[in-house]
Amino acid sequence: DAGVIQSPRHEVTEMGQEVTLRCKPISGHNSLFWYRQTMMRGLELLIYFNNNVPIDDSGMPEDRFSAKMPNASFSTLKIQPSEPRDSAVYFCASSLRTSSRPYNEQFFGPGTRLTVL
Amino acid sequence: RKEVEQDPGPFNVPEGATVAFNCTYSNSASQSFFWYRQDCRKEPKLLMSVYSSGNEDGRFTAQLNRASQYISLLIRDSKLSDSATYLCVVPRLTGGGNKLTFGTGTQLKVEL
Repeated sequence: DAGVIQSPRHEVTEMGQEVTLRCKPISGHNSLFWYRQTMMRGLELLIYFNNNVPIDDSGMPEDRFSAKMPNASFSTLKIQPSEPRDSAVYFCASSLRTSSRPYNEQFFGPGTRLTVL
Repeated sequence: RKEVEQDPGPFNVPEGATVAFNCTYSNSASQSFFWYRQDCRKEPKLLMSVYSSGNEDGRFTAQLNRASQYISLLIRDSKLSDSATYLCVVPRLTGGGNKLTFGTGTQLKVEL
């Protein structure tokens, strides 16, 4: 079974450029999460979707960050314009949320390692 | 008090040793908890779920103390392959959401 798929795996870009990260969740999962991980701050939740609808984007650092989920099998996280402080590993995760078990295991993708020069 | 707090370590232990990590959480209403494992430069993966007082899976035991609001992870007969960062995870109980709060992790190094 395919797990969560993320692309690209590595991205090196220059300050000011637009960056788009992509995620394909596990088929059948109805929740999708975008995280950022750095040594200083650990794993931070940026935004999450339930049934393709953004539920909470309070973790998005600023207006330069945006995320979409046009359908159940695809999501993007965009940074425009990118800055050196955005350098981090960005993980996408998905889970199956049910009424009896709203906090189910989240399955993570391999991450995108972003470097902004 | 932070939502989730862990001792960052590192814990350096010899192979075969027993090691325990503690994690404290702030929200007394939390009902389910998780331990995730993260290897260097890899994604976090679920190690154990804790829905009641505890859970045991082979060499790994997770225990929950609701009165003191802490969760522990015990690893017996540790192996070199157990070297990783262990993340304590607590649900964030906000308006119908299903967010998880991840601790910053405890690093374990098992040595010969």
